[in-house]
Amino acid sequence: EVQLVESGGALAQPGGSLRLSCAASGFTFSTYVMNWVRQAPGKGLEWISYINTDGHTIYYADSVKGRFTISRDNAKNSLYLQMNSLRDEDTAVYYCARDFGGQAPYWYFDLWGRGTLVTVSS
Amino acid sequence: EIVLTQSPGTLSLSPGERATLSCRADQSVSSTYLAWYQHKPGQAPRLLISGVSSRATGIPDRFSGSGSGTDFTLSISRLEPEDFAVYYCQQYGGPPLTFGGGTKVEIK
Repeated sequence: EVQLVESGGALAQPGGSLRLSCAASGFTFSTYVMNWVRQAPGKGLEWISYINTDGHTIYYADSVKGRFTISRDNAKNSLYLQMNSLRDEDTAVYYCARDFGGQAPYWYFDLWGRGTLVTVSS
Repeated sequence: EIVLTQSPGTLSLSPGERATLSCRADQSVSSTYLAWYQHKPGQAPRLLISGVSSRATGIPDRFSGSGSGTDFTLSISRLEPEDFAVYYCQQYGGPPLTFGGGTKVEIK
């Protein structure tokens, strides 16, 4: 089955850190650009990060730049998001999302996971 | 950054009725770089439309997209029970990618 499964969401304190993972299965993960998208409670979707197939081209939204780091391990079919210096406003469900285009990004997403909840609170 | 505003926030309709959802950008969207997604609680978002009007694989033809420049529309010709959900538009002219705030289509 083609799917993405996120994990690692938890309760964290402001200023703390978390590492999210996204396990891919049913497709050739190494040939797809990947992204992280989040949804804060009662809010819409927010794109936060992009990584190309070899991990050498990365983009971040301004809201997380300098605090979050996206990475991938193609041998393990996994995508990661290291989240540091967490703030209350980082509370959200975090989704990993596959780019439609494969190696050449189309910048829209044809496969999403169900998400993992991150709560930042003291 | 392109800001997308969706309206209405909530649409209350009955099965079989037509739904018309609006997505307005504060500046012109590059080429046809606009997509629509359906999202149900606890589920993964689902791609419906890309390139303003191209349905994704497996999407029924009751879903259609139209528009250009700054004004875009998603139409659902006859609502089925499984269509009640939240719908998001997304522009993808390059980073930062942005989404609209969503329109909830609820059962009247």
